[in-house]
Amino acid sequence: EAQVTQNPRYLITVTGKKLTVTCSQNMNHEYMSWYRQDPGLGLRQIYYSMNVEVTDKGDVPEGYKVSRKEKRNFPLILESPSPNQTSLYFCASSRPGNYGYTFGSGTRLTVV
Amino acid sequence: EDQVTQSPEALRLQEGESSSLNCSYTVSGLRGLFWYRQDPGKGPEFLFTLYSAGEEKEKERLKATLTKKESFLHITAPKPEDSATYLCAVRYRAGNMLTFGGGTRLMVKP
Repeated sequence: EAQVTQNPRYLITVTGKKLTVTCSQNMNHEYMSWYRQDPGLGLRQIYYSMNVEVTDKGDVPEGYKVSRKEKRNFPLILESPSPNQTSLYFCASSRPGNYGYTFGSGTRLTVV
Repeated sequence: EDQVTQSPEALRLQEGESSSLNCSYTVSGLRGLFWYRQDPGKGPEFLFTLYSAGEEKEKERLKATLTKKESFLHITAPKPEDSATYLCAVRYRAGNMLTFGGGTRLMVKP
């Protein structure tokens, strides 16, 4: 089944403890992206990647890192999480061009 | 400021009562407008891409249209299973950046 897989689905952590949210897609898509979704603010793009080793900032990149060493994987790294990073995170992938993104099921992160 | 605005924020319909959702945008150089459906607790599901003014796309009870300033998602004779949040997004910058609107939460009662 074609899908984007995120792990974990739920995560509660403490301020300052480094964490990684993994994302993997099995559709051989070049494009991958991370979003956060917050009530009243909607979906906002954190980082995106157009291919292996090619990443760029989205609208809200502060406090996040990404890497794209393999085509299928695009992990999101929070080096020192803070409570304002409590959110619902989505990873997504697509083919180049105006093809719609396929989204993962989401990771609900709580930073206390 | 570049913006994507969806209206209404919420819409309650009776089963079979057709209506339209609006997505207006104030960006220059639109490269594509996307519609998604999002069910509670799930990731958005892609519905349509529209590229140019006058374009229309259809899928079951849904029909999306595009003008130079806005897009409409028309829902014909909706059913309770059409209840979801509908999101629009625009691509207008280089690279693969999408800007999403705030969504319309649709509730269809039997």
